[in-house]
Amino acid sequence: EVQLGQSGAEMKKPGESLKISCEGSGYTFSSYWIGWVRQMPGKGLEWMGIIYPADSDTRYSPSFEGQVTISADKSIDTAYLQWSSLKASDTAIYYCVRHGRPSTYFDFWGQGTLVTVSS
Amino acid sequence: QTVVTQEPSFSVSPGGTVTLTCGLSSGSVSTSYYPSWYQQTPGQAPRTLIYSTNTRSSGVPDRFSGSILGNKAALTITGAQADDESDYYCVLYMGRGISVFGGGTKLTVL
Repeated sequence: EVQLGQSGAEMKKPGESLKISCEGSGYTFSSYWIGWVRQMPGKGLEWMGIIYPADSDTRYSPSFEGQVTISADKSIDTAYLQWSSLKASDTAIYYCVRHGRPSTYFDFWGQGTLVTVSS
Repeated sequence: QTVVTQEPSFSVSPGGTVTLTCGLSSGSVSTSYYPSWYQQTPGQAPRTLIYSTNTRSSGVPDRFSGSILGNKAALTITGAQADDESDYYCVLYMGRGISVFGGGTKLTVL
């Protein structure tokens, strides 16, 4: 059974750094693109970017380029979403998604990680 | 930047049929955009309904169907049920690995 298990909720202060994770299981992790989706409180879904774990090829939405870093460690079947300096506006639920084949849609979703940034 | 458009809200009577659409701020949606559709109920992660325009994801009932209608992608729900009351999002694939969500449609069944 394909599963994406995400790390737990985080509460951070503005300016702090953060790295959240998404562990894949039940399939060959390195062979499928993994993406990240943001949902701000009461708002819609936003596609942030994707990574291909086999070679770490990464693509970003123009809206998120330079704001976050997506990475992966194929040796432990885990993808990451990272911030170097959080802002209050980063408060959101972040979902990791597995891109299907073709890699034009999302076939599995993680449970989401709530990130709260507040002073 | 490309904007993917959806109706902000829609309502349907139980047992009725509703068609939600997904368009582009500039241009027409075709199968080349590989439209996909996702359902989200409050407090839950989204669920994949339709991909590649009209392919139902595993376990999705056949009262959900996808198509291209005119210059937009469409999600049709036939025989709406109370638990179809959700937010529905479309995604268009823009090429080079980039996907874009629509703003979502809040569907009310009443």
